[in-house]
Amino acid sequence: GAGVSQSPSNKVTEKGKDVELRCDPISGHTALYWYRQSLGQGLEFLIYFQGNSAPDKSGLPSDRFSAERTGGSVSTLTIQRTQQEDSAVYLCASSLARTDYEQYFGPGTRLTVT
Amino acid sequence: LAKTTQPISMDSYEGQEVNITCSHNNIATNDYITWYQQFPSQGPRFIIQGYKTKVTNEVASLFIPADRKSSTLSLPRVSLSDTAVYYCLVGDNWTGGSYIPTFGRGTSLIVHP
Repeated sequence: GAGVSQSPSNKVTEKGKDVELRCDPISGHTALYWYRQSLGQGLEFLIYFQGNSAPDKSGLPSDRFSAERTGGSVSTLTIQRTQQEDSAVYLCASSLARTDYEQYFGPGTRLTVT
Repeated sequence: LAKTTQPISMDSYEGQEVNITCSHNNIATNDYITWYQQFPSQGPRFIIQGYKTKVTNEVASLFIPADRKSSTLSLPRVSLSDTAVYYCLVGDNWTGGSYIPTFGRGTSLIVHP
């Protein structure tokens, strides 16, 4: 079946611009996570959604970052007024439920802020 | 939140068994241990998960001693395609608490011909 998809695969933007990154989780997965991975680093948790519950935003690095999940499916991560330090690969993952340890990751979106 | 410590890198050769050990001295009673594999330019992929003793699947084995303060991921007879970064995670998803998956920097395994 279809896995987690993300778009765009690559995004180059100028400093100060806003960007939107999209994630389509696996159908039926109620939990959705966003991570950020800088070059040579591990994954940094950003935010997670579980069903219709309020998201856990504890990992968002600043108020320039926000995310929403519409209809319990597709999610959009928005970065406002991008900075060069925002350059990274943004990964989305989904799992059957919040209590499921097995997360399925998308291919990521590589964001470059010039 | 249990913190994990893994070697930064390891080298091996095709056909050898590779053991990657993760230390998690502060693991809590409800915590599970999960390992992921990440190839370059891809998202991580779940490998195995366990709570105690030994777990085996078609990809790897996970050994957890009685005190659970460490765990060892064992990859039998590695091939070049096993070259990847391996992450050890510890946490409790089941009580609905504040478990946030922490991937750290992982162990970069390079398999040589």
